[in-house]
Amino acid sequence: EDKVVQSPLSLVVHEGDTVTLNCSYEVTNFRSLLWYKQEKKAPTFLFMLTSSGIEKKSGRLSSILDKKELSSILNITATQTGDSAIYLCAVGAGGGTSYGKLTFGQGTILTVHP
Amino acid sequence: GAGVSQSPSNKVTEKGKDVELRCDPISGHTALYWYRQRLGQGLEFLIYFQGNSAPDKSGLPSDRFSAERTGESVSTLTIQRTQQEDSAVYLCASSFYLGTSEAFFGQGTRLTVV
Repeated sequence: EDKVVQSPLSLVVHEGDTVTLNCSYEVTNFRSLLWYKQEKKAPTFLFMLTSSGIEKKSGRLSSILDKKELSSILNITATQTGDSAIYLCAVGAGGGTSYGKLTFGQGTILTVHP
Repeated sequence: GAGVSQSPSNKVTEKGKDVELRCDPISGHTALYWYRQRLGQGLEFLIYFQGNSAPDKSGLPSDRFSAERTGESVSTLTIQRTQQEDSAVYLCASSFYLGTSEAFFGQGTRLTVV
């Protein structure tokens, strides 16, 4: 069974700090890893990483995929209170009828204090 | 449409009643996904559609759950004889291609069974 584990489960920092969120996976036939930010109900897409795109950056956020270690990190620099959210990692893997399935980790709850 | 649209946004129903949740994907997206998120938990895969075909129904929790999709358009998730454990946020997502492009989520339907 595919498995995605995120750490830490929760994190409390102050504005301006830099944080690193971790995601590790055990899946068959890895295709992609996605990061989402969830503030209320809808997860908002951040990055998708694949074998052909192992590093992505957007503003203060960046992410790296380590296929050897079967993991990914999401970095947020100069954190702001608006970064407070649940950060979800999801992995697309498998073939056949499982091709369309994304397996999600349990999420990391990030709280940024002023 | 500009984004994935789900309706209703909130639904309170009595135990034993049937409910129907609707999802309008982003125009042109061939793949559509349904997830469930119980309070304080991660996203649980339910079913995906490639066009109007659902190759993998193994994520549906019981035979009270069913889903259909009309062409590459609207999808409905039906829960018959609702139970209190069905209470959750039901999230729909769509992507341009199945499994190889980023999935964008709707705002979800919060279902409460009383």
